[in-house]
Amino acid sequence: ILNVEQSPQSLHVQEGDSTNFTCSFPSSNFYALHWYRWETAKSPEALFVMTLNGDEKKKGRISATLNTKEGYSYLYIKGSQPEDSATYLCAFISGSRLTFGEGTQLTVNP
Amino acid sequence: NAGVMQNPRHLVRRRGQEARLRCSPMKGHSHVYWYRQLPEEGLKFMVYLQKENIIDESGMPKERFSAEFPKEGPSILRIQQVVRGDSAAYFCASSPRGDYGYTFGSGTRLTVV
Repeated sequence: ILNVEQSPQSLHVQEGDSTNFTCSFPSSNFYALHWYRWETAKSPEALFVMTLNGDEKKKGRISATLNTKEGYSYLYIKGSQPEDSATYLCAFISGSRLTFGEGTQLTVNP
Repeated sequence: NAGVMQNPRHLVRRRGQEARLRCSPMKGHSHVYWYRQLPEEGLKFMVYLQKENIIDESGMPKERFSAEFPKEGPSILRIQQVVRGDSAAYFCASSPRGDYGYTFGSGTRLTVV
């Protein structure tokens, strides 16, 4: 059984704080890691698809790094804003399926 | 481009009835995936389809659940003889290739009464 684990489960920060969360996954037979952002009452939206060890991707104030040898990825948000409040999911591709973690629920207080 | 279209958005069925959930992938996307989110849980993989083929159905319950993606028309997730435990949000996603990010639909919330 494939385990994708995310921590922390939830996080409350103040507007302007920078924050990061972790996704850990099996390091053997790595193919790709995805990050998604899921706002309440909407559908998950793809942020990054990461495939190479040492990859670093950036989209505005959000960035992600990947370490395939040790099986973890970090998502960073710089200068959090209330509109960043969402659940952030990582997902690991194994074979033909994308297996999701339970997510980190981020709340940014104004 | 209308994105991934799922309908209905909400579906109420009595125990024992059939539920049919539809998903039209994004234009140009030939890979379709169905996920289920049970109350208080995360997204769980159900099935992966390409046109007229089921590629991986290892996440589908063995009985009452079936999925198809015909040559013409939307992908259908069919649940026969629904039970209360089938109440969940069912999400469909599509991608142009297996290694691209997925585009998700808005989901169908199934309630079994």
